[in-house]
Amino acid sequence: DVKVTQSSRYLVKRTGEKVFLECVQDMDHENMFWYRQDPGLGLRLIYFSYDVKMKEKGDIPEGYSVSREKKERFSLILESASTNQTSMYLCASSFQQPGQGADTQYFGPGTRLTVL
Amino acid sequence: TQLLEQSPQFLSIQEGENLTVYCNSSSVFSSLQWYRQEPGEGPVLLVTVVTGGEVKKLKRLTFQFGDARKDSSLHITAAQTGDTGLYLCAGADQAGTALIFGKGTTLSVSS
Repeated sequence: DVKVTQSSRYLVKRTGEKVFLECVQDMDHENMFWYRQDPGLGLRLIYFSYDVKMKEKGDIPEGYSVSREKKERFSLILESASTNQTSMYLCASSFQQPGQGADTQYFGPGTRLTVL
Repeated sequence: TQLLEQSPQFLSIQEGENLTVYCNSSSVFSSLQWYRQEPGEGPVLLVTVVTGGEVKKLKRLTFQFGDARKDSSLHITAAQTGDTGLYLCAGADQAGTALIFGKGTTLSVSS
């Protein structure tokens, strides 16, 4: 079974703090993704990575950065947390099949981040 | 910009009723996926449809991909309380790496 784990289920931080969200997958997937999920807005892609040390901006990268030093780990960083970054953060991974289109994404359970 | 529009946004029905959720776009997608998300968990893949006109069945769930590959539907027969959740459709972006998600349909089935 594919397993995607996220470092915390719930997190409360103060405005201006630096926040690290960690995601680990155990299936040797090339692709990893970070989304945020908000009521009425659905899942919005923040960043994704298709290889170690590679990253691509998604639809809403502002205020976020990412790090992928190892294939199995993808970190999302909020340099200076703000209240509008209060959200559910979901990490996902997928196998890269060249020329086959996007493969199944396997999601972690999510981290509910509250910024006060 | 590729967009996926889902309807309805919310659906509240009684156990035993049938329902259909729609996922529409003006863009052609090479494939569409349907995910279900339960409270406190991440989305889980239900099915992938690839061929225009394709119909796939998963027990009481029937998925259809439009002939032009621009839309898809999910039909649930005789809904059960265990079907409660958020249903998301998703299609591959033009680069073929990331998924574009619809905003989802929240289904509530009561006994």
